[in-house]
Amino acid sequence: SQQGEEDPQALSIQEGENATMNCSYKTSINNLQWYRQNSGRGLVHLILIRSNEREKHSGRLRVTLDTSKKSSSLLITASRAADTASYFCATNSGGSNYKLTFGKGTLLTVNP
Amino acid sequence: EAGVAQSPRYKIIEKRQSVAFWCNPISGHATLYWYQQILGQGPKLLIQFQNNGVVDDSQLPKDRFSAERLKGVDSTLKIQPAKLEDSAVYLCASRGEARGNEQFFGPGTRLTVL
Repeated sequence: SQQGEEDPQALSIQEGENATMNCSYKTSINNLQWYRQNSGRGLVHLILIRSNEREKHSGRLRVTLDTSKKSSSLLITASRAADTASYFCATNSGGSNYKLTFGKGTLLTVNP
Repeated sequence: EAGVAQSPRYKIIEKRQSVAFWCNPISGHATLYWYQQILGQGPKLLIQFQNNGVVDDSQLPKDRFSAERLKGVDSTLKIQPAKLEDSAVYLCASRGEARGNEQFFGPGTRLTVL
């Protein structure tokens, strides 16, 4: 079963604009991760935020986590055409097996 | 470091035929995962190995799917017999302790069942 639900399902913006994607989940988590998938590079890990963290930055990426609302957001600033991809949130509910449960993803299109 | 390798990249078969996928994880990674990704959805975990032991296979359709990791390195995933609904991309991922929870994914095998 899929825990995360990304919103919106699809997003189209112009190069240079910011893109915000949201993820909601159902059960308590140990951490939440964001992945990017495109045809050229497959599925790639972007950033991980732990349940006791509220915000994290990595380059042009900013992730927030609100455990009270069971939601997370991914912000990509100053988007580029190369950011065109599907973005997935994945939750880890703890335990020794580090199992990830992925959402359905947001398809981001950045127009040059 | 070399990434996760998978083969074949593409496979087309008819329903009721058998198919096998191969995965070579990143060297030294003890944990290996197989995911199924149907078009328009996120990856769904099929099975997880820790070395050569199965940790989680709760979502593996065991009547037709099987997987093994005999020497704790390479792994194969088999479907026998295939159904139309098995058409998907099959992703292999591995994880090492040094990088925490990050999973490294291979390019996947795109399976089409006709």
